[in-house]
Amino acid sequence: NAGVTQTPKFQVLKTGQSMTLQCAQDMNHEYMSWYRQDPGMGLRLIHYSVGAGITDQGEVPNGYNVSRSTTEDFPLRLLSAAPSQTSVYFCASSYSASNSPLHFGNGTRLTVT
Amino acid sequence: RKEVEQDPGPFNVPEGATVAFNCTYSNSASQSFFWYRQDCRKEPKLLMSVYSSGNEDGRFTAQLNRASQYISLLIRDSKLSDSATYLCVVRAGGTSYGKLTFGQGTILTVHP
Repeated sequence: NAGVTQTPKFQVLKTGQSMTLQCAQDMNHEYMSWYRQDPGMGLRLIHYSVGAGITDQGEVPNGYNVSRSTTEDFPLRLLSAAPSQTSVYFCASSYSASNSPLHFGNGTRLTVT
Repeated sequence: RKEVEQDPGPFNVPEGATVAFNCTYSNSASQSFFWYRQDCRKEPKLLMSVYSSGNEDGRFTAQLNRASQYISLLIRDSKLSDSATYLCVVRAGGTSYGKLTFGQGTILTVHP
């Protein structure tokens, strides 16, 4: 059972570089989302999607882009990395039924120097 | 006001103690509620869903109060292994249907 697969596990970027964090799930979940976690801040929602072709902004969307061309994949793009984007990123998915819990990937530790 | 707010903590309790956490939410159209546990910044794992009538899973009891817009988690007979960060999660209804928002987490340390 693959579940939610997130890559890479670790990444170091220089300020101004761009990169894409990959997220894929094999559970046919309609809902997918990206969170970032910083010390003392809990998990903050960046972007989410309730189905293929539909995305919406969360609490902290600036500096990030997403797309949902398939049900399985939900990549997160950093357009021009900044030190403030140093964080741990989690991708999560669920069925869209209201009582369905989130399934998480293992996280990506990103450092921007 | 944050959409989901939790007790600030941290909570530091002895083994065997009973401890309770609260979490309030601002969107009255919220659909569903969960408690997650997170260890050492690993990925959060589902502890339990929270049902309208309240529910229990072993030493853990979750309650929902829709009128006052809060959920609670009670841990009885605390174990050392319960030490973790506890996160409440709320699924939105209305125009933001489906969006899941986390509280900032409450740190629990259980000591011998």
